[in-house]
Amino acid sequence: DQQVKQNSPSLSVQEGRISILNCDYTNSMFDYFLWYKKYPAEGPTFLISISSIKDKNEDGRFTVFLNKSAKHLSLHIVPSQPGDSAVYFCAASKTSYDKVIFGPGTSLSVIP
Amino acid sequence: DVKVTQSSRYLVKRTGEKVFLECVQDMDHENMFWYRQDPGLGLRLIYFSYDVKMKEKGDIPEGYSVSREKKERFSLILESASTNQTSMYLCASSLSRNRFDYEQYFGPGTRLTVT
Repeated sequence: DQQVKQNSPSLSVQEGRISILNCDYTNSMFDYFLWYKKYPAEGPTFLISISSIKDKNEDGRFTVFLNKSAKHLSLHIVPSQPGDSAVYFCAASKTSYDKVIFGPGTSLSVIP
Repeated sequence: DVKVTQSSRYLVKRTGEKVFLECVQDMDHENMFWYRQDPGLGLRLIYFSYDVKMKEKGDIPEGYSVSREKKERFSLILESASTNQTSMYLCASSLSRNRFDYEQYFGPGTRLTVT
C-alpha cells in the first residue's frame, strides 16, 4: 500500500506556462516533505522541501504548497522551461529519525 | 560538490549468480542508502546504514544484503540473482545520522538485468 501517491504518471505543459505536480499521502504522521527531480540516466537531485509547520515554501521558480488537512502537496513551476522536463518524485518522512518514503513519480514534459 | 559514484552503469548477470553493486561517496556523509527504481513504483528502500558496520532493513530487503566496512563505501549484494531483481539500483548518501530527512545525494544508478 503506497503511503505517498502521485496519481498522474505524466504531464505535458507548454513552455512559459505553469506546471502543477500533485502528491497525496496517507500517513498523518508525515511531517517533512521533499521533491526530487530526475533526468534520464542520472540519479535524482533534491529540488525543494517543506516542513509540516509551514504551508508554503518558495525557491525561485519552484513553490511547494502543503495542505495538511487534505494530506496533499503540490509543486508549482512558473514559468516552465524545456529544461524542467524530467521525472519528479514526491517524498515524505514521519520524523527526522525515520526513513524517507518516495512516491512513484510524475514525468513532466515541457513543450517549446 | 558531493559525489556519489556507483561501480557500474549497466550490468547483465545470470540467474543464480552472486552480484555486487558498489557505491562510494566522497563527502564524509554518515548515512547511505540503497534503493531500487521500478516503473510505477518509484524508489523503494532496500537497506540503509547510518554508521560503519551498521545496517538497517528498508522496505524490501528480501534477497539482498549489504556491507559497510568503511564510511565512504556501501555495497549491495544479491546472494543469488533472480529475474525479478532486474531493476535500476540507486545509491544515495546524506549528512547526519540523527536526521534521515535531510537532502539525499544520489549516484547515477546501475541498470541491472538478470537473465
